[in-house]
Amino acid sequence: GNSVTQMEGPVTLSEEAFLTINCTYTATGYPSLFWYVQYPGEGLQLLLKATKADDKGSNKGFEATYRKETTSFHLEKGSVQVSDSAVYFCAGEERGGGNKLTFGTGTQLKVEL
Amino acid sequence: DTAVSQTPKYLVTQMGNDKSIKCEQNLGHDTMYWYKQDSKKFLKIMFSYNNKELIINETVPNRFSPKSPDKAHLNLHINSLELGDSAVYFCASSPTSGSATEQYFGPGTRLTVT
Repeated sequence: GNSVTQMEGPVTLSEEAFLTINCTYTATGYPSLFWYVQYPGEGLQLLLKATKADDKGSNKGFEATYRKETTSFHLEKGSVQVSDSAVYFCAGEERGGGNKLTFGTGTQLKVEL
Repeated sequence: DTAVSQTPKYLVTQMGNDKSIKCEQNLGHDTMYWYKQDSKKFLKIMFSYNNKELIINETVPNRFSPKSPDKAHLNLHINSLELGDSAVYFCASSPTSGSATEQYFGPGTRLTVT
């Protein structure tokens, strides 16, 4: 079956540091890939997505590129802020799968001043 | 102007009881979902409905029964609650059009079974 693996947290960074959260997927085909973010006490929100190889999703300074050759979709941000503190989830949606998302385990990010 | 709402926000109950969680969306979406998030934040889909029809039914105990009275509502009824049912349950919705559609999540219902 499909699976999504992302780096374990928690990740603690200083404000303005560079962020990378790794995500790799295993699927029979080439799924659409997503990053969702969960702020404390809230539901998940879509951060960005990519639907095919070499697509780059971007939003709020975050970026991720769909790399077919390494089956990866790593999340990056050049300069994090305290307000970016949240749990980040990588997810895949298999094509023709009825919008079923398979989530990674989530990575907690804490940004300190 | 809440998009996806759930009630209650917190639910504390004893083992063996039956409880329901309600979900409503005012986005005009055709598809709704229930997810379970465990204590380690792992998130897994339980069910999805499209226009009141069950589409996804993961390996979930049959003590869990979703009900969709109309396409704006998807309720989750749980019979004979067990300690392992303690989790945060999220409702979500999405438009039904092709793939890679954004899912909109509710704020969650924290269920604690004692």
